[in-house]
Amino acid sequence: NAGVTQTPKFQVLKTGQSMTLQCAQDMNHNSMYWYRQDPGMGLRLIYYSASEGTTDKGEVPNGYNVSRLNKREFSLRLESAAPSQTSVYFCASRAGTLNSPLHFGNGTRLTVT
Amino acid sequence: RKEVEQDPGPFNVPEGATVAFNCTYSNSASQSFFWYRQDCRKEPKLLMSVYSSGNEDGRFTAQLNRASQYISLLIRDSKLSDSATYLCVLPNTGNQFYFGTGTSLTVIP
Repeated sequence: NAGVTQTPKFQVLKTGQSMTLQCAQDMNHNSMYWYRQDPGMGLRLIYYSASEGTTDKGEVPNGYNVSRLNKREFSLRLESAAPSQTSVYFCASRAGTLNSPLHFGNGTRLTVT
Repeated sequence: RKEVEQDPGPFNVPEGATVAFNCTYSNSASQSFFWYRQDCRKEPKLLMSVYSSGNEDGRFTAQLNRASQYISLLIRDSKLSDSATYLCVLPNTGNQFYFGTGTSLTVIP
């Protein structure tokens, strides 16, 4: 059972470089999410996709774009990385029913120098 | 008032002890609640779901008090491997979630 798979696990970027974080789930979940977590802070929602074909901004969307490629995949793109985007990024999914919990991927540790 | 509040701790307890954390919430209409465990630099993992008055799974018991709007997590016979941060999570009426900031637990030999 793969669950939620994120790639890459680690990445170092220079300021201004771009990259895409990949996320895929094999649980046939409707909703998918991207969070970031910084030291001493809780999880903050960047973007989410309630269902295939829809995306919405979360609490901290600036500097990011997303694509819900299909039901399985939800990617997060940094067009021009900044040191403030150094963080741990978690992708998550849920079935979509009101009482269903989140299932998280292993995370991507991104450092922007 | 924050949607979800947790005592950040840290809670330092000896092996074998019983420890309890509380999580208070502000939305009286909340129907489901989740406890997650997060180890350092790892992803949150679902520990327990609570949909009614409570839930029990081995050494772990979650209880819901709707009148006072809090849920608790009780860990009996603490193990060293229980050391982690415990997150309280509630879905909102949309498609998002409210996260507590987490309670840090260290079980000491």
